[in-house]
Amino acid sequence: GAVVSQHPSWVICKSGTSVKIECRSLDFQATTMFWYRQFPKQSLMLMATSNEGSKATYEQGVEKDKFLINHASLTLSTLTVTSAHPEDSSFYICSAQPTGAESPLHFGNGTRLTVT
Amino acid sequence: AQSVSQHNHHVILSEAASLELGCNYSYGGTVNLFWYVQYPGQHLQLLLKYFSGDPLVKGIKGFEAEFIKSKFSFNLRKPSVQWSDTAEYFCAVNAVGGNKLVFGAGTILRVKS
Repeated sequence: GAVVSQHPSWVICKSGTSVKIECRSLDFQATTMFWYRQFPKQSLMLMATSNEGSKATYEQGVEKDKFLINHASLTLSTLTVTSAHPEDSSFYICSAQPTGAESPLHFGNGTRLTVT
Repeated sequence: AQSVSQHNHHVILSEAASLELGCNYSYGGTVNLFWYVQYPGQHLQLLLKYFSGDPLVKGIKGFEAEFIKSKFSFNLRKPSVQWSDTAEYFCAVNAVGGNKLVFGAGTILRVKS
């Protein structure tokens, strides 16, 4: 089946530094990938839609200058949390939709980010 | 904008008990509906989905869900749960023609052996 690989699975960084998270579709192409954030005991909240070859579309309230998204190829999207702060600590999950109508999303394993 | 409401945040059942998890959505147009499951320490997996046709949808592991359009509901059911069904279950919806999934808050199911 379709596999989405997310790396790293967990990361600890110091406040003020930047962290890059990669999301790869291993056996399919995805023109669209999605980045979600999940706080403890809460649901997944869509942060942005990553579009191959064009700018990402951010949801209301998500700072695009803080959460940089690059979708350089049909199999890779990256999320960079810039100048991270402790409140950015969360679980970040990417998902990818195989090219095709009404294809279900496939999710990565998520990245646990802890900012100290 | 779409929203999804899951009625129970925590459910505890004994093995062999029947399960029904409620899900209601709000959206005026035509939607696709999904149930995802997240087992402890694992990523989200698709349990079942409804796009069109028979409103009673059968998924993996004996789960099924029924789409009742008049009630804007898509409840998940299983006649007899097992300990291995312990997980968190998420209902999600997207508008037909769109690709943004909106998730409910999730329901944590614990099955006692």
